[in-house]
Amino acid sequence: EAGVTQFPSHSVIEKGQTVTLRCDPISGHDNLYWYRRVMGKEIKFLLHFVKESKQDESGMPNNRFLAERTGGTYSTLKVQPAELEDSGVYFCASSQDRNGARFFGPGTRLTVL
Amino acid sequence: AQKITQTQPGMFVQEKEAVTLDCTYDTSDQSYGLFWYKQPSSGEMIFLIYQGSYDEQNATEGRYSLNFQKARKSANLVISASQLGDSAMYFCAMRGPWNTDKLIFGTGTRLQVFP
Repeated sequence: EAGVTQFPSHSVIEKGQTVTLRCDPISGHDNLYWYRRVMGKEIKFLLHFVKESKQDESGMPNNRFLAERTGGTYSTLKVQPAELEDSGVYFCASSQDRNGARFFGPGTRLTVL
Repeated sequence: AQKITQTQPGMFVQEKEAVTLDCTYDTSDQSYGLFWYKQPSSGEMIFLIYQGSYDEQNATEGRYSLNFQKARKSANLVISASQLGDSAMYFCAMRGPWNTDKLIFGTGTRLQVFP
């Protein structure tokens, strides 16, 4: 069974540009989460989808971040315009139910110059 | 507010020995879940073990076991018979308040296994 996949693995962009990160969850997992780890800080929750609906977006830092999950399959996280403080590793995770394991993808390392 | 505390920034253990990584948590919820993840140098987050707050027995998965002491609000990870490949960052996490599914992470412990 394929795990959670994320694309790209690395992205280097300039301040003010736009970047879109993609996450493909494990097939059949309705729950999809985005997290990020900024250098030297804890891993922080961004938002949670159940199928195509946003269940909890309390962790989204500001309106420069837009997440979508059309059709309840893959998800995208767009940062527009990117700022220096957006640099970090963005993880996606999926789970079958809330009580079970969250399986994480390999992450996308975003560097904003 | 919910919080996870990992007080050991780094730990060393000799191959084949057991090691305990500490994790304490703070929550006022009765229902919660505790997770441990391993992050090797390659960067991916690998799920290791899960303990539900109502589980009576400590969770075990192969060489990993979770020493769950509810009254003390601790959920330490025990790795038995350490291997060189166990060298990694280890994160303890708790499922958030009852009305959300987010995980709250600790700052992690870097484990180094030496021959």
